[in-house]
Amino acid sequence: QKEVEQNSGPLSVPEGAIASLNCTYSDRGSQSFFWYRQYSGKSPELIMSIYSNGDKEDGRFTAQLNKASQYVSLLIRDSQPSDSATYLCAVDRDDKIIFGKGTRLHILP
Amino acid sequence: KAGVTQTPRYLIKTRGQQVTLSCSPISGHRSVSWYQQTPGQGLQFLFEYFSETQRNKGNFPGRFSGRQFSNSRSEMNVSTLELGDSALYLCASSLDRGEKLFFGSGTQLSVL
Repeated sequence: QKEVEQNSGPLSVPEGAIASLNCTYSDRGSQSFFWYRQYSGKSPELIMSIYSNGDKEDGRFTAQLNKASQYVSLLIRDSQPSDSATYLCAVDRDDKIIFGKGTRLHILP
Repeated sequence: KAGVTQTPRYLIKTRGQQVTLSCSPISGHRSVSWYQQTPGQGLQFLFEYFSETQRNKGNFPGRFSGRQFSNSRSEMNVSTLELGDSALYLCASSLDRGEKLFFGSGTQLSVL
């Protein structure tokens, strides 16, 4: 089993709709969870971090964590064309941050 | 506050050569991590340094090495380059391990 799994996409979402990105992880001991956004040709930038079960909201972004199911998700409300990018889920494991391969999100104007 | 600075931005080398990449972390960040990014494998962890000590290492051959200086700046070295080493090498700094990572712009290495 891969340590951090994401659907590679592309995920196509109409402008103004909600984009839902999902991630599962294998290490039950993981305590820190992150979502990064990476535009083509650029380096990853941190969007959200979440450490406890439940939802965490920041503007149009909501991160959801369920440690029992080993599942993390990112919701993007009112999707904009500028949200088109690859979204990377990252999890701490053995004191290092491990990344999924990312989900490509495409917002349709 | 200045971000993470990586140099050079692009490198072209031939097989068998060696290369050194440089990274200056955000001021106050003592942890520096290195990642290799390729289209097929995504972001893969290389190693992490804190206070001049390597604390963690990924699954890469010994040709990949690094070090950290007393001012937290870090270098990564790849010896005997292979075609498969062509990748984007990203440096990230954080306050400590397991914490939020802030990435530099990366070094795009092409091995011919």
